[in-house]
Amino acid sequence: AQSVTQPDIHITVSEGASLELRCNYSYGATPYLFWYVQSPGQGLQLLLKYFSGDTLVQGIKGFEAEFKRSQSSFNLRKPSVHWSDAAEYFCAVGARGSNDYKLSFGAGTTVTVRA
Amino acid sequence: DTGVSQNPRHKITKRGQNVTFRCDPISEHNRLYWYRQTLGQGPEFLTYFQNEAQLEKSRLLSDRFSAERPKGSFSTLEIQRTEQGDSAMYLCASSPISYEQYFGPGTRLTVT
Repeated sequence: AQSVTQPDIHITVSEGASLELRCNYSYGATPYLFWYVQSPGQGLQLLLKYFSGDTLVQGIKGFEAEFKRSQSSFNLRKPSVHWSDAAEYFCAVGARGSNDYKLSFGAGTTVTVRA
Repeated sequence: DTGVSQNPRHKITKRGQNVTFRCDPISEHNRLYWYRQTLGQGPEFLTYFQNEAQLEKSRLLSDRFSAERPKGSFSTLEIQRTEQGDSAMYLCASSPISYEQYFGPGTRLTVT
């Protein structure tokens, strides 16, 4: 079964500074990978996804993520953070090539943006 | 695209009562998922449907939980004899044939 680890529970970043959120996965093959963002009391919004091809994927709101097979990682980055980026971020993994369509999520990283 | 909708958004109930939540997926999506999210955790998979067929259930889904998707459109999740441990956000998601899932706003359940 697949699993996800997000090592950072909470990150504080200054507005305008860069942001990187870490995600490590465990899966026997190359999985499908996702980043979602959740604002307080809301559902999850898909930021970006990796299925195959270029290992650097672009998403919405200026986010990007890089898949590194050798490190089993899929870290999320943003060059310049805005106050509206304060939220909780979840990395998720899906099994490839099976009838198992569920996603397994990490515990999330809370991002605080200071002025 | 009206997105995934869930009702009610909030539900407060007394222990032992039954509750039912509804999810309306994006209209052309044939897969529908239910997840549960507790405070400080990521969503955990409960069950999923492909059209009207319930194809997988997590062991988190005890006998008190039942989900249906009649006619392959909206879905309901019922919890019987609620317990305080059932307090959580219940999230519904839908997807087309691909793997990306689109989530609704969730139903927050508080059991007192």
